Amino acid sequence: DGGITQSPKYLFRKEGQNVTLSCEQNLNHDAMYWYRQDPGQGLRLIYYSQIVNDFQKGDIAEGYSVSREKKESFPLTVTSAQKNPTAFYLCASTNGGDYNEQFFGPGTRLTVL
Amino acid sequence: GENVEQHPSTLSVQEGDSAVIKCTYSDSASNYFPWYKQELGKRPQLIIDIRSNVGEKKDQRIAVTLNKTAKHFSLHITETQPEDSAVYFCAARISGSARQLTFGSGTQLTVLP
Repeated sequence: DGGITQSPKYLFRKEGQNVTLSCEQNLNHDAMYWYRQDPGQGLRLIYYSQIVNDFQKGDIAEGYSVSREKKESFPLTVTSAQKNPTAFYLCASTNGGDYNEQFFGPGTRLTVL
Repeated sequence: GENVEQHPSTLSVQEGDSAVIKCTYSDSASNYFPWYKQELGKRPQLIIDIRSNVGEKKDQRIAVTLNKTAKHFSLHITETQPEDSAVYFCAARISGSARQLTFGSGTQLTVLP
């Protein structure tokens, strides 16, 4: 399971708390992505970053924040503003042109108590 | 932006039979179409992909076909085995779009022994 790592695997949060999910890659990829997965809904894009110190909102960015201070790291913070944060969160990365594979991390399952 | 629809949402087949999953996309500028397999609680993994300049691609028991005119592409699995049971996602990428993938909602394939 090298390449992209996410931690922790399981995370429990109380309502009103912010929590940060870690994503690290050693593939030297430029672009990194965060997806949220809910049952029966596929993968929805939260944020993405093409280069260090730059990132863009995806389709469901409200209540989330990210940073990209290093090429290998793209942490996601789930804030208290996110109304329904319980989900499976997947980080991904890719490099190069149009046809390169997007690799996924193992995911973090977040549960709000 | 791109919109990808995937059908069916669930599919059960007998071991040894074939399975077909279909996807349609909306943006004619899409030029890359990967398929991912996700086992329960695991990360999605690429199983096959196709570029827009190719009509069909095959890898052992798995094949993908693309009809650019109709904007649809399909995954074909022959001689299904119990280990093929998983959720399958199609995706599409618009050329030059920060390498973002838009995913279908997934198909739960169950291969019955």
